[in-house]
Amino acid sequence: ELKVEQNPLFLSMQEGKNYTIYCNYSTTSDRLYWYRQDPGKSLESLFVLLSNGAVKQEGRLMASLDTKARLSTLHITAAVHDLSATYFCAVESLTSQGAQKLVFGQGTRLTINP
Amino acid sequence: DGGITQSPKYLFRKEGQNVTLSCEQNLNHDAMYWYRQDPGQGLRLIYYSQIVNDFQKGDIAEGYSVSREKKESFPLTVTSAQKNPTAFYLCASSPPDTNNSPLHFGNGTRLTVT
Repeated sequence: ELKVEQNPLFLSMQEGKNYTIYCNYSTTSDRLYWYRQDPGKSLESLFVLLSNGAVKQEGRLMASLDTKARLSTLHITAAVHDLSATYFCAVESLTSQGAQKLVFGQGTRLTINP
Repeated sequence: DGGITQSPKYLFRKEGQNVTLSCEQNLNHDAMYWYRQDPGQGLRLIYYSQIVNDFQKGDIAEGYSVSREKKESFPLTVTSAQKNPTAFYLCASSPPDTNNSPLHFGNGTRLTVT
């Protein structure tokens, strides 16, 4: 059974600092997704990582995937308040019918203080 | 604009009553999904459907039922057998070719059962 674990679960940091969120998963998968969720809202797709060594960057966020280590990271550079949200990683497993079944981590609640 | 519409946004019910959550998409996606989110936790898969008139149980299907009579619609019924129905419910869809395509999520329905 695929399990996905994120750490830390809570992160409070100051504006301008750098930090990394980690996502470990238990079985082989080549596809990993990062989502952002604001309080009371739906999930917004941030990154799709499709292969070993994949690196994607958007603004102050950069995501990477190491399929051999079963590890993805989401790195935040020079954090700003607008990045405060909960971040989820999700790992794909395909069902026997080819359905895209995602298993989510617990989420990392990020609070960025002025 | 294409998207996924969930209704209602908030739903209140008395214990012992069945309730149906609506999910409609105009993205022409084949696959649709229902996830449940509890406070401070990740998403868990309830049911999914690859094609019309076919659906599969996810990880926490007990106490729920679905139908897929039309490609655009995938309603979820929370039955009285669901022991802890209060949660945030998210509907999602994905196109046939999942390469580079994350799940698209609706805005969610927050169900409170008292």
